[in-house]
Amino acid sequence: DGGITQSPKYLFRKEGQNVTLSCEQNLNHDAMYWYRQDPGQGLRLIYYSQIVNDFQKGDIAEGYSVSREKKESFPLTVTSAQKNPTAFYLCASSIALLAGASYNEQFFGPGTRLTVL
Amino acid sequence: QKEVEQDPGPLSVPEGAIVSLNCTYSNSAFQYFMWYRQYSRKGPELLMYTYSSGNKEDGRFTAQVDKSSKYISLFIRDSQPSDSATYLCAMCQTSYDKVIFGPGTSLSVIP
Repeated sequence: DGGITQSPKYLFRKEGQNVTLSCEQNLNHDAMYWYRQDPGQGLRLIYYSQIVNDFQKGDIAEGYSVSREKKESFPLTVTSAQKNPTAFYLCASSIALLAGASYNEQFFGPGTRLTVL
Repeated sequence: QKEVEQDPGPLSVPEGAIVSLNCTYSNSAFQYFMWYRQYSRKGPELLMYTYSSGNKEDGRFTAQVDKSSKYISLFIRDSQPSDSATYLCAMCQTSYDKVIFGPGTSLSVIP
């Protein structure tokens, strides 16, 4: 089955620790995204990548880092610099960010719920 | 003012009711409008997509876009308990632009 997987489903972090959230897709999509979802707020874009070995900051990149060494993988590290990391993190992918494409449907993974203890 | 606003609910309706979900937005350059459905503790999934103004129907779901009023709607006919979820509107200027999501409306359909 094609899709996006995220692991772990639940993650607990102590103050001062870095943690890495995994995101893998087998849809052969070029573009991948990380969003943060908090109650009462829309999905906020953390980082996105249009191609391997390239990524751009989204609206709330401070305290986060990413890598895109393989097309199918886009891990997110939540560093100790992120002051309020408790949230639901969603990874998504799409075919590509292309001019002239009909629309940019994003396919989402099941999410990782991160809690800081 | 937020770019996209949506009544968070919760909205509770009896089974079989017609549901109206709405979003307003401030950026007149938005051209692509989407509705995502998100079940509890799951990732969102695309429900409907509309380009520019007009209506689009898919089974029990109808999406409407009124660009002059900067207002979009999703109607659900004959609502079912399985429709209980959070509905997120989303929009972007071009097909390759960043997508802006609304905060979502929580819907419960009571049997």
